[in-house]
Amino acid sequence: GAVVSQHPSRVICKSGTSVKIECRSLDFQATTMFWYRQFPKQSLMLMATSNEGSKATYEQGVEKDKFLINHASLTLSTLTVTSAHPEDSSFYICSASRGPSNQPQHFGDGTRLSIL
Amino acid sequence: TQLLEQSPQFLSIQEGENLTVYCNSSSVFSSLQWYRQEPGEGPVLLVTVVTGGEVKKLKRLTFQFGDARKDSSLHITAAQPGDTGLYLCAVYYSGAGSYQLTFGKGTKLSVIP
Repeated sequence: GAVVSQHPSRVICKSGTSVKIECRSLDFQATTMFWYRQFPKQSLMLMATSNEGSKATYEQGVEKDKFLINHASLTLSTLTVTSAHPEDSSFYICSASRGPSNQPQHFGDGTRLSIL
Repeated sequence: TQLLEQSPQFLSIQEGENLTVYCNSSSVFSSLQWYRQEPGEGPVLLVTVVTGGEVKKLKRLTFQFGDARKDSSLHITAAQPGDTGLYLCAVYYSGAGSYQLTFGKGTKLSVIP
């Protein structure tokens, strides 16, 4: 159990495009979902935490107007990178948890975003 | 400064060799997790250690939590090509910000057949 599906797995698009990434918990209800970003040779860095039905909490330095997060149901959260630029190219990974921050997180397989 | 320092950063060994990778910190933690991440995929939890001095085994992988709960090691016996990946340690930490799962930079392991 505890499968998290992330889609798409890879996106290549032009600068200025907005890109939506979906994160779904397939076999459990995810009260909390997390979005991470991982640059080459770097570790995963938390971007934001979202709880179902409420606004996401963004980490310091993450622009909430650029990275729009929606967690409308207990099985789906979306991250939209608005007006993406080459510096937004990265590996974006979501995770889902049944409870608050210290509950086990189950990770998706990530989305490789490349902005030309 | 990095909360969790992992060493070595890169490790390339022959199949069948043994290896140890480390995760060190100056902070004390109530628990520590090890993950393996393969290219293009998300991290997969291997183990959580919670007690100082604890040793956990997962087939050929042996995890140890330091007595002071500041560091941990992962030992792989008779490494196989399937062990290739990025090994990450992680802790729940609040620091000056939100309480979150914080990762080290990882050790990239390559096992050559």
